[in-house]
Amino acid sequence: SYVLTQPPSVSVAPGQTARITCGGNNIGSKSVHWYQQKPGQAPVLVVYDDSDRPSGIPERFSGSNSGNTATLTISRVEAGDEADYYCQVWDSSSDHLFVFGTGTKVTVL
Amino acid sequence: QITLKESGPTLVKPTQTLTLTCTFSGFSLSTSGVGVGWIRQPPGKALEWLALIYWDDDKRYSPSLKSRLTITKDTSKNQVVLTMTNMDPVDTATYYCAHSTLTVGATILDYWGQGTLVTVSS
Repeated sequence: SYVLTQPPSVSVAPGQTARITCGGNNIGSKSVHWYQQKPGQAPVLVVYDDSDRPSGIPERFSGSNSGNTATLTISRVEAGDEADYYCQVWDSSSDHLFVFGTGTKVTVL
Repeated sequence: QITLKESGPTLVKPTQTLTLTCTFSGFSLSTSGVGVGWIRQPPGKALEWLALIYWDDDKRYSPSLKSRLTITKDTSKNQVVLTMTNMDPVDTATYYCAHSTLTVGATILDYWGQGTLVTVSS
């Protein structure tokens, strides 16, 4: 089945930019979605279809996708952005419709 | 306002069958393009998709768990039920249900329930 690889952790100072990568074979040909999960809470969709934001999600969250890597970028990082982030693709070409990445813990220093 | 809530046992014994119910509001599962999915997360681990049921009763399962899963819907009650047979301690996890919708590029899980922790132990 399709595999999505993320770095286990990313550390960033407040006000700086965090970039979280999601690697997959020719991922640029798929739609990538990103979820934020704070401790003890359910995941929240923050970016869908590579770069669109649901209503209520700050513009500080943006996404891109090309080649073998998709990236979630968090600009002007705040303490409240500290969470686990998961990428996900919808693989309609296989039976495994929803594939999640391994997850990245973002720590705000 | 879309909300979902999972319910079911918090503790099951090995080999037993788990039945979880997702009760939702704010949408209808008879609306074209809408679905409800189940996702689980073992403690400290990543998310894992389990199953999805669409408005037209199309059902999809994770290939690795397909033989153990059944998903059904009751549109009149606004509920989706997931059963998982032959439970094992490795199935200990928080189980989430989520609303799905079609976008230009894919199906997304845009609203999630709070999750319910299921422990498998004798």
